[in-house]
Amino acid sequence: KNEVEQSPQNLTAQEGEFITINCSYSVGISALHWLQQHPGGGIVSLFMLSSGKKKHGRLIATINIQEKHSSLHITASHPRDSAVYICAVRSDYGGSQGNLIFGKGTKLSVKP
Amino acid sequence: DADVTQTPRNRITKTGKRIMLECSQTKGHDRMYWYRQDPGLGLRLIYYSFDVKDINKGEISDGYSVSRQAQAKFSLSLESAIPNQTALYFCATSGDGPSYEQYFGPGTRLTVT
Repeated sequence: KNEVEQSPQNLTAQEGEFITINCSYSVGISALHWLQQHPGGGIVSLFMLSSGKKKHGRLIATINIQEKHSSLHITASHPRDSAVYICAVRSDYGGSQGNLIFGKGTKLSVKP
Repeated sequence: DADVTQTPRNRITKTGKRIMLECSQTKGHDRMYWYRQDPGLGLRLIYYSFDVKDINKGEISDGYSVSRQAQAKFSLSLESAIPNQTALYFCATSGDGPSYEQYFGPGTRLTVT
């Protein structure tokens, strides 16, 4: 079983829809990251959070440490939001030395 | 200018050839990483370095080697390339501690024929 699971794997939405991408993890963590990878390949960091909720424009990320679950929400989705969204956790296991463990990503396509 | 640069951006090479991928960063970070990305598998860690004298294997280091020439430079080598090393390779850097985000380079698309 993967330590970081994302759902859904693929998501198609109509422009304007509210979108939720989920991430569950099975290890103890010190932080969780949401990353965005556009079709050209580049990866950018959207959020890093260890508790609660963060908001940036139309993007909202939440985390529930007790349930080991995080969600990324996109309000009023737009075709330019089409990308792969990747959840990654920074494990607090001593052996991992704080390296990131990545989910396989959720491919989002927003149709006009 | 980009914080993390990678060269080359695209490379096609033949089986058995030695190839080097280079990474430079201007963030002033000590920590640097090399990942590969394959369709359906996500990002996997090849090697990481916490400073110039501290280099560690990641989960898929077989067939790869690295060199940390300076705080800002971290190179990945494939000593004898094989087709299943065809992938997208990313370099990244981060500060120390759990509260630092990672900054990724633009990626190198490597094809081994």
